[in-house]
Amino acid sequence: DAGVTQSPTHLIKTRGQHVTLRCSPISGHKSVSWYQQVLGQGPQFIFQYYEKEERGRGNFPDRFSARQFPNYSSELNVNALLLGDSALYLCASSLEVRWGAGAYEQYFGPGTRLTVT
Amino acid sequence: KNEVEQSPQNLTAQEGEFITINCSYSVGISALHWLQQHPGGGIVSLFMLSSGKKKHGRLIATINIQEKHSSLHITASHPRDSAVYICAVEDDKIIFGKGTRLHILP
Repeated sequence: DAGVTQSPTHLIKTRGQHVTLRCSPISGHKSVSWYQQVLGQGPQFIFQYYEKEERGRGNFPDRFSARQFPNYSSELNVNALLLGDSALYLCASSLEVRWGAGAYEQYFGPGTRLTVT
Repeated sequence: KNEVEQSPQNLTAQEGEFITINCSYSVGISALHWLQQHPGGGIVSLFMLSSGKKKHGRLIATINIQEKHSSLHITASHPRDSAVYICAVEDDKIIFGKGTRLHILP
């Protein structure tokens, strides 16, 4: 079975532009979470979607938005890009909402590296 | 808000050495996770702990709920263990530590 896939792998944008990042979860997984990882730091939670509804939101400005589609894939949108948005954006999928072991384990994608110039 | 501190930030050791990475947090949690991140970004879940100790191969993870502290141990370390090891805690949100960069020399 394919793991979590993300596209694109790398992206360069200019300040003020808009970006859309995409994530396809493992088949059968209904939960998708998004994380931002700035170089040298741990990931920070942005959003979680489960069954197409937002189930959690981290401390990020309204420029960040996301949605989940009927096939459980997800998009992360960032408007009015700032230099500080340069980071690795990670997507993770799981069967259930809460992160845990076994059926609740989160599986991470390879990430999208966004550079804002 | 929970604060997660990992130590050391960087660790270089010789192949075969016993490795310990520490994680401390400030507020009670429902679970603690240890993750491994290889160059290029891919993250793999290693352990989820809510109490006691877990072992998988050469990896051992322990947690002391009273002291709000967890350790990840690697026995007989190998260059392929070189990666960033990240601790994450769950209370009402998931909060990650900054990671420990481990480099095992052959």
